[in-house]
Amino acid sequence: NAGVTQTPKFQVLKTGQSMTLQCAQDMNHNSMYWYRQDPGMGLRLIYYSASEGTTDKGEVPNGYNVSRLNKREFSLRLESAAPSQTSVYFCASRGSGTGWNYGYTFGSGTRLTVV
Amino acid sequence: AQSVTQLDSQVPVFEEAPVELRCNYSSSVSVYLFWYVQYPNQGLQLLLKYLSGSTLVKGINGFEAEFNKSQTSFHLRKPSVHISDTAEYFCAVSDRGGSYIPTFGRGTSLIVHP
Repeated sequence: NAGVTQTPKFQVLKTGQSMTLQCAQDMNHNSMYWYRQDPGMGLRLIYYSASEGTTDKGEVPNGYNVSRLNKREFSLRLESAAPSQTSVYFCASRGSGTGWNYGYTFGSGTRLTVV
Repeated sequence: AQSVTQLDSQVPVFEEAPVELRCNYSSSVSVYLFWYVQYPNQGLQLLLKYLSGSTLVKGINGFEAEFNKSQTSFHLRKPSVHISDTAEYFCAVSDRGGSYIPTFGRGTSLIVHP
């Protein structure tokens, strides 16, 4: 089925380790987003890419970097993980133009624990 | 800047009873409004949206929401809930031009009891 695929689904890191969360969409969407979800906090935007070749900071970018590898893929990197980065991470994409339903398509999430 | 307030963090209800999940927003510009649903261990799915026109919008699974501009509200309703409606519900608002990036509320956990 078409959609947004995130890998891995689960990850445990030690403080100071690095890792990259992968996201790929097969809907030919221009825009892609990374959110984190914490209990009672809703979803907070980390970074987004409005189109291939561009990236911008969201509400909570500190401690993260992103790469828009191509139109399909948008990765999120933690260079030196901290316990405060324990969260569920969601990648999302959206279309544009004719036929766009103004909604976002979300992946199923990556549950990250930093110990 | 825009913001969203979901007034209830948790709403318990019995099966087949009606339910209303409340959402208020603030924005200095015209907005689009959304409700998303998140089932356990899944991503968010679009439930319904208000873009323009009729203030009563219908979504999937029998849910509907009413846009009230004067009260800046977009409450979600269902006349009779099912066990399978147990989920987290998020209200979101986005501006009508430019980035379209939504701001999400903190979520309301709907718990349906048999």
